[in-house]
Amino acid sequence: SQTIHQWPATLVQPVGSPLSLECTVEGTSNPNLYWYRQAAGRGLQLLFYSVGIGQISSEVPQNLSASRPQDRQFILSSKKLLLSDSGFYLCAGKRGFGGYTFGSGTRLTVV
Amino acid sequence: SQELEQSPQSLIVQEGKNLTINCTSSKTLYGLYWYKQKYGEGLIFLMMLQKGGEEKSHEKITAKLDEKKQQSSLHITASQPSHAGIYLCGADGSGGSNYKLTFGKGTLLTVNP
Repeated sequence: SQTIHQWPATLVQPVGSPLSLECTVEGTSNPNLYWYRQAAGRGLQLLFYSVGIGQISSEVPQNLSASRPQDRQFILSSKKLLLSDSGFYLCAGKRGFGGYTFGSGTRLTVV
Repeated sequence: SQELEQSPQSLIVQEGKNLTINCTSSKTLYGLYWYKQKYGEGLIFLMMLQKGGEEKSHEKITAKLDEKKQQSSLHITASQPSHAGIYLCGADGSGGSNYKLTFGKGTLLTVNP
């Protein structure tokens, strides 16, 4: 079965600093991968998704970018963090007609 | 894009009571997912529904997808404090390999002992 690994679990970064969150997949190959953000309130907003290496689709304009350098690696980045980037970031994966599997998330606080 | 509206936004029940959470879509649902989340944690998959009229159960939780495939309900029987959390419905309306799972805003469930 598919497992999504995310780290770190929590992160405190100053405004203007760079960001790199990594997500890796175990147990499957060629999954679709997703980055979500859960800000104040409870909804999950889809930020990026990828159907393959080097293929990134952005759902909302923002201060973040994503990359997929390897089949099982999905990275969320920013060159300069804003206060509004604070939130709970979740990585998810899907393979074929199976369900979506989520990582345990990273809580980012920009100060 | 597909929009999902959940109701109620929050719910407080006494332990042992039954409750229902609804999820209504602006478009036909091809895949409807229910997840549970504890605050600050990842999502726990509950159930997936695909066929109109489909109903699935797991322990004391039952989910249904209506015949027209635009609404789903999640029913919890004899609620327990362990049921507390945020319940999210999600849908992926795209075909092929470009599945995109979008979510409703969630329902916060509190179960008082």
